[in-house]
Amino acid sequence: KAGVTQTPRYLIKTRGQQVTLSCSPISGHRSVSWYQQTPGQGLQFLFEYFSETQRNKGNFPGRFSGRQFSNSRSEMNVSTLELGDSALYLCASSSGPAGPDTQYFGPGTRLTVL
Amino acid sequence: GDSVTQMEGPVTLSEEAFLTINCTYTATGYPSLFWYVQYPGEGLQLLLKATKADDKGSNKGFEATYRKETTSFHLEKGSVQVSDSAVYFCALIENYGQNFVFGPGTRLSVLP
Repeated sequence: KAGVTQTPRYLIKTRGQQVTLSCSPISGHRSVSWYQQTPGQGLQFLFEYFSETQRNKGNFPGRFSGRQFSNSRSEMNVSTLELGDSALYLCASSSGPAGPDTQYFGPGTRLTVL
Repeated sequence: GDSVTQMEGPVTLSEEAFLTINCTYTATGYPSLFWYVQYPGEGLQLLLKATKADDKGSNKGFEATYRKETTSFHLEKGSVQVSDSAVYFCALIENYGQNFVFGPGTRLSVLP
């Protein structure tokens, strides 16, 4: 099976712009989670989608949003970018639908905000 | 809320040395516990996991035992290699949720 893929791998934006990141989960996986990784804050949970519905949400401002499509692919959007949004954004998929489940991570998208 | 604490390092060892990375957790229920590894420039890879007390997870020579009485899940390896140099993350997920909680990561450097 192909692993979790994320596009693009690298992105450079300027303050105030918006950005959309994409994640394709492992075939058959219905749950997609997003994380932000920074040197100062470590790995922080953004949100999790299952069957096109947001099931869990972390403690991030409303500028961070996401969605999931019927084929389980997910997108994450950040509006009005700030310098502090520079980070590695990781997507992880799991089979779901309930209970603890191993998450498989993609390589990440490195976002740099200038 | 749930939390994971682990030694932040960096940890520097010589090849073939014994490795221990401590991990302790706080959880309201009965979580599953994981160790993930991140090599430079890559995402996280699952290293091992344990889903209930006294379970031992193992993979690639690494081991960790779920100790409910001490709320710990320490990672060990008997003989490290240069290729083990990476950042190691301890994580948990509660049985009723899909929200992983990660520790801060421990950077391991193994010198030849």
